[in-house]
Amino acid sequence: AQSVTQLDSQVPVFEEAPVELRCNYSSSVSVYLFWYVQYPNQGLQLLLKYLSGSTLVKGINGFEAEFNKSQTSFHLRKPSVHISDTAEYFCAVSDLFSGGYNKLIFGAGTRLAVHP
Amino acid sequence: DADVTQTPRNRITKTGKRIMLECSQTKGHDRMYWYRQDPGLGLRLIYYSFDVKDINKGEISDGYSVSRQAQAKFSLSLESAIPNQTALYFCATGGTGDNEQFFGPGTRLTVL
Repeated sequence: AQSVTQLDSQVPVFEEAPVELRCNYSSSVSVYLFWYVQYPNQGLQLLLKYLSGSTLVKGINGFEAEFNKSQTSFHLRKPSVHISDTAEYFCAVSDLFSGGYNKLIFGAGTRLAVHP
Repeated sequence: DADVTQTPRNRITKTGKRIMLECSQTKGHDRMYWYRQDPGLGLRLIYYSFDVKDINKGEISDGYSVSRQAQAKFSLSLESAIPNQTALYFCATGGTGDNEQFFGPGTRLTVL
């Protein structure tokens, strides 16, 4: 069975500092990988996704993530964060062979708090 | 206009009451999902539907039921609400292909 582990429940960081949010997954088959962001009192919005091809994926708002198959990781990074990046971030995985059905398995989330 | 809408946005109810949460979408997607979000647990799948005649249980379906009234509408019911169903509920839709899902704004449900 698939699972997703987000290694940090909370990440405090100062404005303009770099940040990395860590995500590891377990799956015996090839997967699609996603990062979603949830701003306060809002639904989830897609940041970026890995389907195939280049292991470095660029998303919205200056975020990027790197797929590492050998380490089964998909860490999210941003070189310089803003106050407006304060939100909860969710990593999710979907396997390619679940009968074509796109079910996502989510991690528990990482709360990013950007301080001035 | 939002592509995925949920009503109500907030609801407070009492133990034992029947509650329906509604979801509508204008994205033309066949696939629709209901999740609940609890602090520290992420999102967990309650039910999903891949077309009007296809309904499937997710990992936490006990105490819930759903109805797919049309391609664009997917409702979640709590037959007899209990306090541990207090949570944030999200509806999502998905097309075929790359498995991306699109989320509604959520319904915050409190069961007293």
